[in-house]
Amino acid sequence: GQNIDQPTEMTATEGAIVQINCTYQTSGFNGLFWYQQHAGEAPTFLSYNVLDGLEEKGRFSSFLSRSKGYSYLLLKELQMKDSASYLCAVRDPLPAGNNRKLIWGLGTSLAVNP
Amino acid sequence: GAVVSQHPSRVICKSGTSVKIECRSLDFQATTMFWYRQFPKQSLMLMATSNEGSKATYEQGVEKDKFLINHASLTLSTLTVTSAHPEDSSFYICSASGKIGSPLHFGNGTRLTVT
Repeated sequence: GQNIDQPTEMTATEGAIVQINCTYQTSGFNGLFWYQQHAGEAPTFLSYNVLDGLEEKGRFSSFLSRSKGYSYLLLKELQMKDSASYLCAVRDPLPAGNNRKLIWGLGTSLAVNP
Repeated sequence: GAVVSQHPSRVICKSGTSVKIECRSLDFQATTMFWYRQFPKQSLMLMATSNEGSKATYEQGVEKDKFLINHASLTLSTLTVTSAHPEDSSFYICSASGKIGSPLHFGNGTRLTVT
């Protein structure tokens, strides 16, 4: 079956670095996504990994290891506004074409404290 | 780029009435759009996949006659909650992507309250 695991909650301090892990077991793989969702708002796209390695985008970086079924989202120089839920999602390989839906993790609720 | 607009952002309706939610891709064509529902402090739940020019594909447990989806053009999909009940009160979010392989982008969501 399809399964995505990520920690339920994390706490970090303003200015610090935090790493949010995600492991997945899927029948196929067509890319892994990270989204940020603030309370009461829709998710916003953060990063996309399809090949192994690190993708850096400002304060946020995302890493992928396809052989290990593992990804992490790294947040640097944490700010209070980074307090949100972070969602890991893997694109379902079936059906073919753009109809592929995302398989979602339950999200990691990050609290950034002063 | 890749902006998805959703309207209305908030709606309150009486039990038994119907509510239509619109989802538009503003700067790209979306042959496929996805409709999600999210209850407080719970994860996103995919309701259905909306396909332009054909019938929507509903997830298990989602009543297709209650949640009507129409994807009449490459930039517009609508979700109609028919005969709404208080338990339908939720946060409804649409999403779409452009070309194959590109990420999903979400509308701002519609908070539905059924009284």
